[in-house]
Amino acid sequence: AQSVAQPEDQVNVAEGNPLTVKCTYSVSGNPYLFWYVQYPNRGLQFLLKYITGDNLVKGSYGFEAEFNKSQTSFHLKKPSALVSDSALYFCAVRKNTGTASKLTFGTGTRLQVTL
Amino acid sequence: ETGVTQSPTHLIKTRGQQVTLRCSSQSGHNTVSWYQQALGQGPQFIFQYYREEENGRGNFPPRFSGLQFPNYSSELNVNALELDDSALYLCASSLGGAGGLNEQFFGPGTRLTVL
Repeated sequence: AQSVAQPEDQVNVAEGNPLTVKCTYSVSGNPYLFWYVQYPNRGLQFLLKYITGDNLVKGSYGFEAEFNKSQTSFHLKKPSALVSDSALYFCAVRKNTGTASKLTFGTGTRLQVTL
Repeated sequence: ETGVTQSPTHLIKTRGQQVTLRCSSQSGHNTVSWYQQALGQGPQFIFQYYREEENGRGNFPPRFSGLQFPNYSSELNVNALELDDSALYLCASSLGGAGGLNEQFFGPGTRLTVL
């Protein structure tokens, strides 16, 4: 069965500093990996995805993520955090088989960016 | 381009009642997935509909059922409500159905409270 782990419940960072939100996954075969962000009282917004190719994926709002197959990780990064980045971030994995495109989500990491 | 919409926004029901939640998919999308997000948790996959057929289901009992209509909108029905059904129910639309690699676009969700 596929699974995702987000080891940090919360990440605190000062505005202007780089941020990293960690994600590790477990799936047989090649994974499809996603990051979503959730603001209060809002649905999930897609940030970026890794399917194949370059291990560094660039996404929306200046976010990027690095796929590391040997460490089974897909950490979300941003060079310079903004207060407006404060939200709940979810990593998700989809197994690339001919089944329904089911996403398995982690438990989420709350990012708090302060001035 | 119209995004994913869900109705109602909030709903309060009592144990044993039945509820229907509605979702309109993003224009051009033919696949709808439903997720349950309990407080403090990541979304859990309920099922997916592709071209009006259920093509994948998560670990939810049969009292969770759904429909997809020819215009690709969808309903989630829950019978015999239990207290643990209290959650945010998210609908996501995408293009491609089973095996599709396109990202899912989420609606704002319906907050269901069961008393």
